[in-house]
Amino acid sequence: AQSVTQLDSQVPVFEEAPVELRCNYSSSVSVYLFWYVQYPNQGLQLLLKYLSGSTLVKGINGFEAEFNKSQTSFHLRKPSVHISDTAEYFCAVSDSWGKLQFGAGTQVVVTP
Amino acid sequence: DAGVTQSPTHLIKTRGQHVTLRCSPISGHKSVSWYQQVLGQGPQFIFQYYEKEERGRGNFPDRFSARQFPNYSSELNVNALLLGDSALYLCASSPLAGRGETQYFGPGTRLLVL
Repeated sequence: AQSVTQLDSQVPVFEEAPVELRCNYSSSVSVYLFWYVQYPNQGLQLLLKYLSGSTLVKGINGFEAEFNKSQTSFHLRKPSVHISDTAEYFCAVSDSWGKLQFGAGTQVVVTP
Repeated sequence: DAGVTQSPTHLIKTRGQHVTLRCSPISGHKSVSWYQQVLGQGPQFIFQYYEKEERGRGNFPDRFSARQFPNYSSELNVNALLLGDSALYLCASSPLAGRGETQYFGPGTRLLVL
């Protein structure tokens, strides 16, 4: 069985500061990992995904994530956040049919 | 191009009633999945359909059912509603059904059961 654990339920951060959201996964097979963002009262939008190849994945809106097989992690980072980055962020792992198993989410609150 | 659309956007029902939620995938997408997102939690997988066949079912009771039509749109039906069914129901589509396929989500239907 595959699963992901998001280690922080909420991350407060000041505008223009860096942010890191932590995600650990568990899988007995090759993993395909995703980060999605959910803005208030909206659906989910893909930020980035890791399928294979380079362990550093760049996504939209200046986000990037690093796949670390030895630590079974897929942490999301942004060097400088904006107020508009206030949202909930979900890490997910895909099964062979593309079904997504999501983590509990990390709420990012950016303040001036 | 239009994204994934869902209807209705909001819905209020009472316990014991039945509800039907609808989803239209992105044009050309053949796979549709349904997720339930309870307030404060991550989305939970309910169903996946590909080419009108069920490809997966999550840990939900038989009160939940779904189908996919020849035009690839989909319906999610929930019978005998319980208070605990109150949630945001998300539909996602992808071109194919397979590991690594990006799923594109609609805005969701927010269901409140009183």
